[in-house]
Amino acid sequence: RKEVEQDPGPFNVPEGATVAFNCTYSNSASQSFFWYRQDCRKEPKLLMSVYSSGNEDGRFTAQLNRASQYISLLIRDSKLSDSATYLCVVNLYTGNQFYFGTGTSLTVIP
Amino acid sequence: DVKVTQSSRYLVKRTGEKVFLECVQDMDHENMFWYRQDPGLGLRLIYFSYDVKMKEKGDIPEGYSVSREKKERFSLILESASTNQTSMYLCASSGGGNNQPQHFGDGTRLSIL
Repeated sequence: RKEVEQDPGPFNVPEGATVAFNCTYSNSASQSFFWYRQDCRKEPKLLMSVYSSGNEDGRFTAQLNRASQYISLLIRDSKLSDSATYLCVVNLYTGNQFYFGTGTSLTVIP
Repeated sequence: DVKVTQSSRYLVKRTGEKVFLECVQDMDHENMFWYRQDPGLGLRLIYFSYDVKMKEKGDIPEGYSVSREKKERFSLILESASTNQTSMYLCASSGGGNNQPQHFGDGTRLSIL
């Protein structure tokens, strides 16, 4: 069983739409959670950390559900520039073990 | 801002060559990582290091070795390059403790002919 699983998509949504991605993790000892964005042929870049109480950064909202072992990312009012692959990342308590999902592809259509 | 610098964006080498990929970070991070990324397979961890001269195998260490002689520098070595090592190589670093995300370099696109 994979440590982290994501729906690969692709998600094709119109501009202005709201889109949500989920990511499940298998290890209940997981401590830290992150969402990264990766553009085509570029490196992953940190989008946001995910905190237990949920957190928001502009149009982006991240949530954590420890009981069901999943994290989510909600993007409101999608922009063309949001088109990318979104990776969820889980970190175990050791601090240096990171597990990546394979990514969810998003295309925002004019 | 954290800066992780990889020595080359694009590299072309021949089968059997010894290849060195260099990575430097400027944030005094304890942890450094080497990944490769291939279409459909996501990021796969090759090696990581949690301190100078310390290294741990990741998921796919075969055919690779690493060196960390200084805290800021983590080198990946392909001992005898093969065509199946053609890939995008990504270096990352992170601080110690929890809630410390990884920061990535720009990546090196390595082609082995």
